[in-house]
Amino acid sequence: DAGVIQSPRHEVTEMGQEVTLRCKPISGHNSLFWYRQTMMRGLELLIYFNNNVPIDDSGMPEDRFSAKMPNASFSTLKIQPSEPRDSAVYFCASSLVVTASSYEQYFGPGTRLTVT
Amino acid sequence: AQSVAQPEDQVNVAEGNPLTVKCTYSVSGNPYLFWYVQYPNRGLQFLLKYITGDNLVKGSYGFEAEFNKSQTSFHLKKPSALVSDSALYFCAVRDITQAGTALIFGKGTTLSVSS
Repeated sequence: DAGVIQSPRHEVTEMGQEVTLRCKPISGHNSLFWYRQTMMRGLELLIYFNNNVPIDDSGMPEDRFSAKMPNASFSTLKIQPSEPRDSAVYFCASSLVVTASSYEQYFGPGTRLTVT
Repeated sequence: AQSVAQPEDQVNVAEGNPLTVKCTYSVSGNPYLFWYVQYPNRGLQFLLKYITGDNLVKGSYGFEAEFNKSQTSFHLKKPSALVSDSALYFCAVRDITQAGTALIFGKGTTLSVSS
C-alpha cells in the first residue's frame, strides 16, 4: 500500500495568494483528517470527514480555510487568501472504522507551507 | 472535557538505558489510547494502542505501553533505548464526543537518546 499521499510536499507562496493542498487517503479508508502543526500551537485538528461527509470543522481557523472531499479517494484543503500566519506543516491522515479494535490513524508526509 | 497530557516537554536518556515517556488522560468511560512517533520532517507513525484487554501493550520498534486505570496513565516504555529512538512522541485518546475515529493528541514529548 502506498500510504497516505499528499501534494505538494513544499509550497511557498506570497500573502494573498490561494493555496490548495491535496490528499489521497489509503484505499478503503472511510475517515479523513486534516491537521496543522506549528511550533507554537503543536498539532491541531482542522476538520475531519467520515464517508466523505464533514463531521467536525470546528478547528478550521476562519473562513479563509475550506476543505472538500468529493470522493473517497481525494480531499483538498484550500486557503484563500493566504497569510504569513498560515505557515505550518499540514498533515492529512486516514483511518478505517470497522470494529472497536481499529481507530488508529495513518498520516501522510505533510505539506510544508510557507507564506511570505 | 476529554484531554490528554504529556507532562514532560523533553526526556533525555543514555543509549542502552530504559526509557519512559509519560502520558495521562481524562475521559468519560473506557479510553482508547494511542502512541505515535514523529521523526524530523516526517508524518506521525502509529506505534501502539490500547483498546481493551491486557494492560501491557506491545508495539513497533520494541516499544510497549502500560495502561493504568487507577492512575489514568498510559506511559510509553522501552527497556533499552537506541539513538535512533530520538524523535517526538505523541500520546492520543479517542474523542468519544465524535462518531468515528477523531483523536485528541497531547502536545508531544521530545525524546533525546545520547550515545
